[in-house]
Amino acid sequence: GQQVMQIPQYQHVQEGEDFTTYCNSSTTLSNIQWYKQRPGGHPVFLIQLVKSGEVKKQKRLTFQFGEAKKNSSLHITATQTTDVGTYFCAGPGGGYQKVTFGTGTKLQVIP
Amino acid sequence: EPEVTQTPSHQVTQMGQEVILRCVPISNHLYFYWYRQILGQKVEFLVSFYNNEISEKSEIFDDQFSVERPDGSNFTLKIRSTKLEDSAMYFCASSGRGWINTEAFFGQGTRLTVV
Repeated sequence: GQQVMQIPQYQHVQEGEDFTTYCNSSTTLSNIQWYKQRPGGHPVFLIQLVKSGEVKKQKRLTFQFGEAKKNSSLHITATQTTDVGTYFCAGPGGGYQKVTFGTGTKLQVIP
Repeated sequence: EPEVTQTPSHQVTQMGQEVILRCVPISNHLYFYWYRQILGQKVEFLVSFYNNEISEKSEIFDDQFSVERPDGSNFTLKIRSTKLEDSAMYFCASSGRGWINTEAFFGQGTRLTVV
């Protein structure tokens, strides 16, 4: 079945440093979404990418969808303590209404 | 802002008992989902539901599980004969146009502990 892997699994950064998480799917995706889950919280939608090579920015966050639509990345510039949490990519999981989450990258920001 | 509501927030049950987890999706949404997350692990798809029937289900969603939309607002997940390995956070989500096309909104989750 489809697998969606993310690296790294964990990342500790000093506040102010940049952070990147990479998402790789075993199959081509029609679109990809990114979610953030704060510690003890629930996944919250960040963004959806649809087009090959698409790049979208939200303030300090930059999202990219690969040309082959099998990978994606999330880059955070100058991390803040509010960025702490687990970042998940999610994509259509081979079914009509099945969305598969990636393995997640847990970000810890050291003040 | 509309939100997905789940009750209870925490449920402790004896192994072998049945539990019902409840969700109230966003009122004009049509697509509903259950996911689970074992502590510290990834968010796993269980089932999607549209037009009063299951659209998709995972290998995890076997005969032990069932979903129902008993009225116009609630969406429930029933787990029969609970096992220790069913302990997890269960998230309900809903979407207006289908998650393939747009975002899903998650509830706060129900933490199920089977003892």
